[in-house]
Amino acid sequence: DAKTTQPNSMESNEEEPVHLPCNHSTISGTDYIHWYRQLPSQGPEYVIHGLTSNVNNRMASLAIAEDRKSSTLILHRATLRDAAVYYCILRDLAGGSEKLVFGKGTKLTVNP
Amino acid sequence: NAGVTQTPKFRILKIGQSMTLQCTQDMNHNYMYWYRQDPGMGLKLIYYSVGAGITDKGEVPNGYNVSRSTTEDFPLRLELAAPSQTSVYFCASSYYSTYEQYFGPGTRLTVT
Repeated sequence: DAKTTQPNSMESNEEEPVHLPCNHSTISGTDYIHWYRQLPSQGPEYVIHGLTSNVNNRMASLAIAEDRKSSTLILHRATLRDAAVYYCILRDLAGGSEKLVFGKGTKLTVNP
Repeated sequence: NAGVTQTPKFRILKIGQSMTLQCTQDMNHNYMYWYRQDPGMGLKLIYYSVGAGITDKGEVPNGYNVSRSTTEDFPLRLELAAPSQTSVYFCASSYYSTYEQYFGPGTRLTVT
């Protein structure tokens, strides 16, 4: 599986936008970029995924660089409930990848 | 829908004891997974199943066994508990391998 690199931690203030970066310089053409987050003492939850185009859903936006070697998860207005560890994961869906390979992720702290 | 449920929430085992972690999903998902998460780390895949009667090893299967007799249930068996198996165990399910995974709340296991 291609590897991703994320900062260990980031901090934000409540009500402000948050941009969480992810580098994946060895991404292949069939790798989808997935984001999951894990709130304290809970299981991970799906946030968003994309292949080439930017994606939006009710939780977040995903901006993908034109060369696909990096992406950014955007939380438009951070709330205290968004404090979590965010995981950027590549999934080779052409190969029917069954597993999610979790790194250490980025721990997001949201200040009131 | 209850989603993915896991029992028990907490368990303390003595070295050499056995136990079964239960996982049930009510979303009629084909795929089910077992992960473990050690402190400060990302999740690692133990076993997965692509449907009733079919299971396969993940990244860290040693010391564990699984079965999948129904679509809904995917129990994880620890035969001879060891301190290295102290971890938080998450069960997950998805409709298909390429779809997002839904996680249960986890079972915190301590082996002493």
